[in-house]
Amino acid sequence: AQTVTQSQPEMSVQEAETVTLSCTYDTSESNYYLFWYKQPPSRQMILVIRQEAYKQQNATENRFSVNFQKAAKSFSLKISDSQLGDTAMYFCAFMSPNSGYALNFGKGTSLLVTP
Amino acid sequence: GAGVSQTPSNKVTEKGKYVELRCDPISGHTALYWYRQSLGQGPEFLIYFQGTGAADDSGLPNDRFFAVRPEGSVSTLKIQRTERGDSAVYLCATGNQGTEQFFGPGTRLTVL
Repeated sequence: AQTVTQSQPEMSVQEAETVTLSCTYDTSESNYYLFWYKQPPSRQMILVIRQEAYKQQNATENRFSVNFQKAAKSFSLKISDSQLGDTAMYFCAFMSPNSGYALNFGKGTSLLVTP
Repeated sequence: GAGVSQTPSNKVTEKGKYVELRCDPISGHTALYWYRQSLGQGPEFLIYFQGTGAADDSGLPNDRFFAVRPEGSVSTLKIQRTERGDSAVYLCATGNQGTEQFFGPGTRLTVL
């Protein structure tokens, strides 16, 4: 079974600054996908960024980028130029064909962006 | 187009009662997932449908929980003899296998 660990329950960053959220995972599979989801107080889970394990290049989506270290099984999310609207819970998630593509989530990191 | 919708948004029930939670997927999505999110936790997988059949129900906590998707579209999660420990947000997500999952807003279930 895969496990996803987010070791930072809460983080805070000032507006316009950069913050990095950590995620590690454990798996014996070679074919898998990793995700970061954002969940604001509205409860709506929103996909932030996706990384395929076979791709060496780190994924980027505007202000969001990842540092994918496959050998270390690490998948951190960097948010640049933080905005007040980035305040939310952030979940790291693992998906593989062997689990029917069901998402396996970490416990989440609560991010607060302050003015 | 419309996203995933879930009804009701909130459900309050008494211990021992039966509840049904509904998920309307994005049109054309073949895969449908149910997750349960307890307070302060990440979502946990319950059951996965590919088309009409339950391809994996290994996440259902016990036999009080059951889900159907009779026509390969709308799905209903059914909980019998509810217990206080069933209180959580129940999330539905849909997609096509191996691609992004789109989540609904969830149903918050409170068992008194």
